[in-house]
Amino acid sequence: AQSVAQPEDQVNVAEGNPLTVKCTYSVSGNPYLFWYVQYPNRGLQFLLKYITGDNLVKGSYGFEAEFNKSQTSFHLKKPSALVSDSALYFCAVRDMAALIFGKGTTLSVSS
Amino acid sequence: DTGVSQDPRHKITKRGQNVTFRCDPISEHNRLYWYRQTLGQGPEFLTYFQNEAQLEKSRLLSDRFSAERPKGSFSTLEIQRTEQGDSAMYLCASSRTGGNEKLFFGSGTQLSVL
Repeated sequence: AQSVAQPEDQVNVAEGNPLTVKCTYSVSGNPYLFWYVQYPNRGLQFLLKYITGDNLVKGSYGFEAEFNKSQTSFHLKKPSALVSDSALYFCAVRDMAALIFGKGTTLSVSS
Repeated sequence: DTGVSQDPRHKITKRGQNVTFRCDPISEHNRLYWYRQTLGQGPEFLTYFQNEAQLEKSRLLSDRFSAERPKGSFSTLEIQRTEQGDSAMYLCASSRTGGNEKLFFGSGTQLSVL
């Protein structure tokens, strides 16, 4: 079965610093990987996806993710964090027609 | 896009009662998904439809859970004989056909079973 793991429950960074939210995956076959963000009292929003091609994927709000096949990782990154980036972030992998989500990582950006 | 709409936003019920939630997807989306999310966990896939056909329902949590999408537009999720363990956020999402298309999520229905 396809799965993803997010090893950190919470990540704390200062505004202006780079941020990384980690995700590792376990799949049979080629992975289709996604990142979603959940703001308080709002639905999950799509950030970016990796299907094939360039290992560095660019997404919404200045986020990007790096696919690393040898490390089975798909870490979310941003060069300079904003306070408004504070939210709950989910990594996901496609399994047939469904998306299988990780437990989520809370990102807290302090001013 | 007008967004995915879910109704109600909150539902409080007593154990043993039946509840039904409604989801209105984005109009041009033919795929509709139901997920459940509990505190501290990521969304858990329950079922999905392509148009009116329910193509995956083996992950519904028990036979007390059922979903319909009678005309390929809105969908309902029903939980019969609710239990306290059913308390969770129930999320609906929609997408165009194609497994790599991004999902658009509604804000969810928060169910509390007393």
